[in-house]
Amino acid sequence: QVQLQESGPGLVKPSQTLSLTCTVSGGSISSGGYYWSWIRQHPGKGLEWIGYIYYSGSTYYNPSLKSRVTISVDTSKNQFSLKLSSVTAADTAVYYCARSPTGVAGMFVDYWGQGTLVTVSS
Amino acid sequence: DIQMTQSPSSLSASVGDRVTITCRASQSISSYLNWYQQKPGKAPKLLIYAASSLQSGVPSRFSGSGSGTDFTLTISSLQPEDFATYYCQQSYSTRTAFGQGTKLEIK
Repeated sequence: QVQLQESGPGLVKPSQTLSLTCTVSGGSISSGGYYWSWIRQHPGKGLEWIGYIYYSGSTYYNPSLKSRVTISVDTSKNQFSLKLSSVTAADTAVYYCARSPTGVAGMFVDYWGQGTLVTVSS
Repeated sequence: DIQMTQSPSSLSASVGDRVTITCRASQSISSYLNWYQQKPGKAPKLLIYAASSLQSGVPSRFSGSGSGTDFTLTISSLQPEDFATYYCQQSYSTRTAFGQGTKLEIK
């Protein structure tokens, strides 16, 4: 059973960089066959896909966040990470890491982390 | 960008009811449509992928249909654990997006 667990600071100051890591257990990122994503949900709102990475390092970022987002992967630790720079209060959200199978059905999520609330405040 | 619009935004129903939630895409997305269920404080859970394929472990009272621009999620007989928020998601374009959600409440 695959499990994903987010970790990182729950409080970030405005203008700083939000950094989160997702640790994957029960499966190897380097085995391929999956995209590894970050998705966020503003309080009481809907879901926003931030971006995703393949084990090879190829990435896709949501154009609305692209200038501030970096997603990276560390296959030796079976982890992938999110960095979001120049944060404001509008970046306060629950951040989820997630797994998506590659294939003909497009990008959907079959496993999610539990989510971690990140608050941007001084 | 492809916009996804769900209706209704909220819905009240009773245990045992048959419920249908609709998702409309702003352009054709073939069958690249997925459905999720989210309960308060929890991560979403995949119910249906590729418009009508039931995810492993999901009860058969959930079903999905549609193609092109119009899609439906049907719950054939509501159970107490089904009261939640439901989201559709298009996976046709690289810039994937979710609908705004439908909150299903107990009548």
